[in-house]
Amino acid sequence: DVKVTQSSRYLVKRTGEKVFLECVQDMDHENMFWYRQDPGLGLRLIYFSYDVKMKEKGDIPEGYSVSREKKERFSLILESASTNQTSMYLCASSLGRASFYEQYFGPGTRLTVT
Amino acid sequence: TQLLEQSPQFLSIQEGENLTVYCNSSSVFSSLQWYRQEPGEGPVLLVTVVTGGEVKKLKRLTFQFGDARKDSSLHITAAQPGDTGLYLCAGVGPNFNKFYFGSGTKLNVKP
Repeated sequence: DVKVTQSSRYLVKRTGEKVFLECVQDMDHENMFWYRQDPGLGLRLIYFSYDVKMKEKGDIPEGYSVSREKKERFSLILESASTNQTSMYLCASSLGRASFYEQYFGPGTRLTVT
Repeated sequence: TQLLEQSPQFLSIQEGENLTVYCNSSSVFSSLQWYRQEPGEGPVLLVTVVTGGEVKKLKRLTFQFGDARKDSSLHITAAQPGDTGLYLCAGVGPNFNKFYFGSGTKLNVKP
């Protein structure tokens, strides 16, 4: 079974803080993704990576950056957290380019920015 | 504007009833997937449909991909409380370079 783990289930941060969300997958997947999920808006793609040190912007990259130094780990960074970044953050991975669309998700991190 | 529109947004039914949820778009998709998400968890893949007109069955769940590959439906027969959750459809664009999610249908099955 594919396992995708996220560093925290719940996180509370103050406005202006730098926030790190970490994601680890144990199945040697090439692709990794970061989404945020908000009621009524579904999942929106922030960034994705199809290889180590590679990254591509998704639909809403503003205010976020990512890092992929190792194949199994994909980090999402909020440079200066703001209240409108309060959300559920979901990490996902998929096997490779041919299986780009079959994604396995972590349990999510619910981030509150006060 | 969502590329994939799901309806209904909310559905509350009694155990044993049948239901259908829909996923529609004006765009053509290479494939469509359905996920179920339970509270406090990430989405879990249920099925992928690839061929226009394809029908897949998973026990009491029947998934259909439209002939034109622009829409999909999920039908649940004799719903059970364990079916409660958020159902999300997701599609891969025609160039295989982007993945889109619908906003979801929140299903509550009452015992």
